[in-house]
Amino acid sequence: SQQGEEDPQALSIQEGENATMNCSYKTSINNLQWYRQNSGRGLVHLILIRSNEREKHSGRLRVTLDTSKKSSSLLITASRAADTASYFCATVATGANSKLTFGKGITLSVRP
Amino acid sequence: DARVTQTPRHKVTEMGQEVTMRCQPILGHNTVFWYRQTMMQGLELLAYFRNRAPLDDSGMPKDRFSAEMPDATLATLKIQPSEPRDSAVYFCASGSSAGGVGTGELFFGEGSRLTVL
Repeated sequence: SQQGEEDPQALSIQEGENATMNCSYKTSINNLQWYRQNSGRGLVHLILIRSNEREKHSGRLRVTLDTSKKSSSLLITASRAADTASYFCATVATGANSKLTFGKGITLSVRP
Repeated sequence: DARVTQTPRHKVTEMGQEVTMRCQPILGHNTVFWYRQTMMQGLELLAYFRNRAPLDDSGMPKDRFSAEMPDATLATLKIQPSEPRDSAVYFCASGSSAGGVGTGELFFGEGSRLTVL
């Protein structure tokens, strides 16, 4: 069963605009991760944020985490056509053997 | 360039046949995951190994699916007998994890696309 739920399910923007994607989850987490998947390919890790962190940056990516609201957001600034992909939020619940559980993903289309 | 290697990339088979998918994790990684991806269900975790020991296979239909790690360089997922509803893309992923700190970044293979007729 999915732990994280992304919102919106699909997003279409113009190149150069910012894209914001949201994720909500249900249980206490150890960390939350965002992945990208291009069509027909495997998933690629983008960024990991731990439960004691509130914000993290990596290049054009900015991730925030609000554990009180059990939510996270991924911001892609100055989007490019190459950012067109599906984006997944994944959570690791607290516990020694916790696994990575994925949401259903957000389809991002960036129009040139 | 270290990567997770999965074979076969594509497999078409008939209902009732045995299917074996193989995965070579990245050298040095001690965790291996098998996920199944479909449009309807998204990414479902089937099995999870740490240091070659199975930790969680609760998402796997036990009557027809089995997952093993015969050695640190090979993970297998077997379906016997296969059914049309098993049609999906199966992903293997590996990572490094010290027990008690949860799962970190995973590296995914390109997937095995299975079609059962």
